[in-house]
Amino acid sequence: QAVLTQPSSLSASPGASASLTCTLRTGFNVTTYNIHWYHQRPGSPPRFLLRYKSDSDKQQGSGAPSRFSGSKDSSANAGILLISGLQSEDEGDYYCSIWHNSAGTFGGGTKLTVL
Amino acid sequence: HVQLQESGPRLVKPSEPLSLTCTVSGDSMINYYWNWIRRPPGRGLEWIGYVYNSGHTKYNPSLKSRISISVNTSRNLVSLKLNSVTAADTAFYFCVGVEVGSTNFDYWGQGSLVTVSS
Repeated sequence: QAVLTQPSSLSASPGASASLTCTLRTGFNVTTYNIHWYHQRPGSPPRFLLRYKSDSDKQQGSGAPSRFSGSKDSSANAGILLISGLQSEDEGDYYCSIWHNSAGTFGGGTKLTVL
Repeated sequence: HVQLQESGPRLVKPSEPLSLTCTVSGDSMINYYWNWIRRPPGRGLEWIGYVYNSGHTKYNPSLKSRISISVNTSRNLVSLKLNSVTAADTAFYFCVGVEVGSTNFDYWGQGSLVTVSS
């Protein structure tokens, strides 16, 4: 079982909000990790969006709109990326990642379609 | 800010080594950890490993037996070598900088598509 699990796809309408989840495998407590989020559009490298550990320990990526925000659902052991006011440019693949024992790991990615 | 550019052969034969170089410009190399990340076509991102300027490395356990990442600070280069490649190693390979003290994959090269095929 993968360390980080993401839904493979999600669709939402322009102007709506989208919530992307990143579930950690049992044994990995979401409350102890920084959850990082990245966005990749076709033909471009991924771009760092934000890091979220808690409301008092978070960081927005340079140039990342404030429409993107992070949170956690401790009961589900998951990190969450919330995108409000969806725009067509938000389409693409979204990845979560953590560092564990100084090694990086990514979720499988969620393909977001805005239609 | 730092800029990164990957270069190297785009086609590699099965069982041969894959070698890529990342040219760093715009900032001092000592301010970063240098990572390699790949994305196979149709699949997700995979972290390969990193090197620091001291030569300290950390590798993905699933690739550890086949990979080597090194840094040449005098030439502003970061290198990746992946041995005994198969078709499963076909991917876009990205050079990525993480600032010391940060955990964010902040600085990405454009990526280099390497195809493994005879």
